Amino acid sequence: EVQLVESGGGLVQPGGSLKLSCAASGFTVSSNYMNWVRQAPGKGLEWVSVIYSDGSTYYAGSVQGRFTISRDNSKNTLFLQMNSLRPEDTAVYYCGRDRDGYNRFDYWGKGTLVTVSS
Amino acid sequence: QSVLTQPPSLSAAPGQKVSISCSGGSSNIGNNYVSWYQHLPGTAPKLLIYENTKRPSGIPDRFSGSKSGTTATLGITGLQTGDEADYYCGTWDTSLSRVFGGGTKLTVL
Repeated sequence: EVQLVESGGGLVQPGGSLKLSCAASGFTVSSNYMNWVRQAPGKGLEWVSVIYSDGSTYYAGSVQGRFTISRDNSKNTLFLQMNSLRPEDTAVYYCGRDRDGYNRFDYWGKGTLVTVSS
Repeated sequence: QSVLTQPPSLSAAPGQKVSISCSGGSSNIGNNYVSWYQHLPGTAPKLLIYENTKRPSGIPDRFSGSKSGTTATLGITGLQTGDEADYYCGTWDTSLSRVFGGGTKLTVL
């Protein structure tokens, strides 16, 4: 059975850092387009970042230079390192597999809440 | 403000049919496949439609997708109370990578 489980969310002060994890089972993270998508309170889904099977990474403009996506192949786990956090980064963060690289997210986690506040 | 425009909300009675539109441009919908997702906040979003019209296994044929030019549409027939959720379109954008619509909150009265 395919499963994605996010962890690492919590309360952090503006300017702080947080690292999210997404543990996968049932498929191989390193062979797929793995993404982070977030939903701010009362807002819609917003794509954040992707890592391709060849290791290429891409980011939304709103997080470019502050967030870093990575993976640990031995642990079949996806990560999102978030630095210089801002109140507007407050959201539920979901990891998801994009099956074909063109926004076909067939598997998602249930999300982890990140709150940036003083 | 998303590059893909959806109506913020729609409502319909049980048993009725509803259509949710998703309007974009040539850099996204006009030249790429569209997917549709059902989402209840706090839960994992669910893929309903991919490649404009295809349903993953397990998705009932009450859900359908279509695309014409730069507008995609999700249709839901035989509405059920369990269909009450937020619905998002998604596609690829040549400048922005993956993009989602602003979402449509469907209320089944």
